[in-house]
Amino acid sequence: SQTIHQWPATLVQPVGSPLSLECTVEGTSNPNLYWYRQAAGRGLQLLFYSVGIGQISSEVPQNLSASRPQDRQFILSSKKLLLSDSGFYLCAWSATSGRDEQYFGPGTRLTVT
Amino acid sequence: QQPVQSPQAVILREGEDAVINCSSSKALYSVHWYRQKHGEAPVFLMILLKGGEQKGHDKISASFNEKKQQSSLYLTASQLSYSGTYFCGTERGNQFYFGTGTSLTVIP
Repeated sequence: SQTIHQWPATLVQPVGSPLSLECTVEGTSNPNLYWYRQAAGRGLQLLFYSVGIGQISSEVPQNLSASRPQDRQFILSSKKLLLSDSGFYLCAWSATSGRDEQYFGPGTRLTVT
Repeated sequence: QQPVQSPQAVILREGEDAVINCSSSKALYSVHWYRQKHGEAPVFLMILLKGGEQKGHDKISASFNEKKQQSSLYLTASQLSYSGTYFCGTERGNQFYFGTGTSLTVIP
């Protein structure tokens, strides 16, 4: 069966510090991978989307970046965090885009202080 | 481009029914439904595709009106475990957009 892992579960970082969140998927190959952010009490905003190694689409301009160095690994990074980067970060995978359900990791709760 | 959901919030007593609506200003090719409990990740409920194909939860039903660009999720005989925030979502090209969300609370 497929599983998706995210770490860390919680993170408190000062403004201006770097960020690296990692997501890995097991039990499937060539998944579509997604990074979402959810501000407190709000909906899910798609940040990045990837259909394959090295293929990243960005939905919203921001100080975040994403990379997919391996088929089942998706990394979200920032060189300098802003207060507005606080939120619940969720990684998800699907077999294809649109026609298949997305499975979410447990999420990382990031607080920028 | 974000789908709009209604109502924004609803409170039900156990056993009552509810309908959650999802509307898009753009053409819908598929509609997904997810439920998110507080502090947790969203969980898949159902997908509806153009042409009538559906897959998902046995105890939840939904409709998809392609012409009106709308979908509705029907929750019948609600249980306490149905509480959470419900999101619809749709794909456009390679992007995916979640709706504005509907908070549903089921009370005894």
